[in-house]
Amino acid sequence: QSVLAQPPSASGTPGQRVTISCSGSSSNIGSNYVYWYQQLPGTAPKLLIYRNNQRPSGVPDRFSGSKSGTSASLAINWLRSEDEADYYCAAWDDGLSGRVLFGGGTKLTVL
Amino acid sequence: QLQLQESGSGLVKPSQTLSLNCAVSGGSISSGGYSWSWIRQPPGKGLEWIGCIYHSGSTSYNPSLKSRVTISVDRPKNLFSLKLNSVSAADTAVYYCARSGEIKYDLFFDMWGQGTMVTVSS
Repeated sequence: QSVLAQPPSASGTPGQRVTISCSGSSSNIGSNYVYWYQQLPGTAPKLLIYRNNQRPSGVPDRFSGSKSGTSASLAINWLRSEDEADYYCAAWDDGLSGRVLFGGGTKLTVL
Repeated sequence: QLQLQESGSGLVKPSQTLSLNCAVSGGSISSGGYSWSWIRQPPGKGLEWIGCIYHSGSTSYNPSLKSRVTISVDRPKNLFSLKLNSVSAADTAVYYCARSGEIKYDLFFDMWGQGTMVTVSS
C-alpha cells in the first residue's frame, strides 16, 4: 500500500473536467513539493506538474495542480481521448532517511 | 535534445546481482543542476524510486533497498549505473533511468529513458 493515496480509477467524457486526488501526511505532501506524472500505455512516465502547480514547457494548460495541507490534486480540463493514461503523484518524504514516494497511480478512462 | 538509454542484463538469477547502465546523450552528465535517478515498475504495478546520484557524487537511496543498492557515475563515458545485489523475484520490473532535480526536496524527474525489463528467474 502506497503512503501517498490515490483513487485507483477515474473517468470522464470528452470535454469534461476531471480531478485526481493525492493524500499524504505532514512528512511528505505537508512539507514538500508535489509532482504529477502521466504514463501512457507502454511508455515511460512524463513529468506533468512540478513544484505543486508548475507546468513544464509543452504541457497544455488544460492540466493544473494544486496543494492544500497534506493533500494535492491534479485537474484536467476539457478532457480529451489522448488523456487516457495512468497518473501518479510524488513527493519527497522526510521520514527514515528520506525518500521519494509515489502514489499508487490512478487509471483515467475517457468514456 | 537530451536522451537516456538503459542497457544491461534482462535476465538475472535469484541471489545474483542486477547491473544496468544508463547512457546519456545530447548533454553532459557532469553539467550542474541535476541528479540522476533509477526508478522501477513491477509488471502491472506502480512506480518505486530506487535512488539517485547527485552532481557532487553523493547518493540517496530508498531505505527499503539501501542495503542492496549502489548507484555510481562514469563521467568520461557519460553514463551512470545501478547495481542491485541479492535479487529475488520481487525485483522483477521495468527499470527506468531518469534525470532528476538538483536537491532531494525538489527531486522531479523530467527526462526518462524508455525503460528496460529485468526478470529475476532461475
